[in-house]
Formats: sequence, C-alpha cells, structure tokens
Amino acid sequence: DSGVTQTPKHLITATGQRVTLRCSPRSGDLSVYWYQQSLDQGLQFLIHYYNGEERAKGNILERFSAQQFPDLHSELNLSSLELGDSALYFCASSPQDRGGTEAFFGQGTRLTVV
Amino acid sequence: AQRVTQPEKLLSVFKGAPVELKCNYSYSGSPELFWYVQYSRQRLQLLLRHISRESIKGFTADLNKGETSFHLKKPFAQEEDSAMYYCALSHRSADKLIFGTGTRLQVFP
Repeated sequence: DSGVTQTPKHLITATGQRVTLRCSPRSGDLSVYWYQQSLDQGLQFLIHYYNGEERAKGNILERFSAQQFPDLHSELNLSSLELGDSALYFCASSPQDRGGTEAFFGQGTRLTVV
Repeated sequence: AQRVTQPEKLLSVFKGAPVELKCNYSYSGSPELFWYVQYSRQRLQLLLRHISRESIKGFTADLNKGETSFHLKKPFAQEEDSAMYYCALSHRSADKLIFGTGTRLQVFP
C-alpha cells in the first residue's frame, strides 16, 4: 500500500456528463500529480499541484480541471465527457515540489464513458 | 523537448533468459531516470532510479549519457517479473515526471 488513495475505483458515465475524481496523497506529501493512462498512449502527465498551487500543466484538455484543497487532497474534474476520455486516471504524490524524487501512485480510477 | 521512448510494446521471453527493456530519452540537461513497474492489478511502484546504482529484484539499469539511454536489464528472467515496465524522466528543477509508453514483459515458464 503506497498510502495514496483514489476514489472511486470505477466510474461509468454517459457522454456529455461531468465527473469528479478524488485523490488523497500520502500523509505529509505536498505534491499531487495526475496522469491519464490509455491503451495506446501510455501514461500522460496532466497536471501537478504543490501545497495548493498549480505548478505544471501537461496535455490537459480545457474540459478538464483540477485543484488541491487546504487538506492537500486533490480533485480532477472532467466535463463534457467524450468516448475517448475513457481511461485509467492515476494520481501520485511526493513530498517535494521538484522532480528527482520518488512518486507514490494510487490504484487509479477507471473511467468508462458510454 | 523532454521525451522518453520505449520502442517495444511487448517483450516475451522464457524463464531463465536474459531480459533487456530499452529506454531512450531526450533532455537537454542532466535528467534523473527511473524505472517503475506495474504488476497485474496493482499500482505503479518505483523499481529503481539511476542515482541509486542499485539492483532491485535482480534488475539493473545504467545511465548512458552518450547514447541517452537507460535500459533495464536482468540476466535471468523469472515468471514473477511479468508486468508492465515504465521508464520515467525527471529533473530536480522540473515539476513533472515524464513517462514512456511502457513495455509489457511476459515471461513464459
């Protein structure tokens, strides 16, 4: 167990809908990273938050947004969902705001858009 | 641009055979390289990092700056090594960890 918790584990929703994925980092970790894993794309970096502030953005669509709350948990909001958004969404946490350190991953949320 | 390339989607070997999972990177500075592993139905976890120069579960990886590679090797594969392996790149001043597309290793008995 890495200490990173993601909820829900599975989510099935219809196109056009909006969902929220939740991530609780390891105790004491200030950084949260979000990744999208689809079959043919591997792990795509979406966004990084450190202590409530956005630090870096990757290939995140405008329909997607995220935030990190004062208690350090993070939420990834996906709206106007399309079939192609079906994927496994991972969050990871690390103690620092800089690279070079190990990232601890959650089990992921499997999103299926029908 | 920062990029990690894992050219093989699938690598199949028999138990006891040597294994080499390839990883090439593109980065202008001095990166930190990692290998992460994802066993079936489990979360990604760190396997090893280049700065540690350690061997984990018999796996080693050497950073070759001239060839910009960080290949993962094991002399004798075991069935329990079957998993998805991801090479990743970061930098102390960077705010993200860049992953390759992953290589699925299948070790047959």
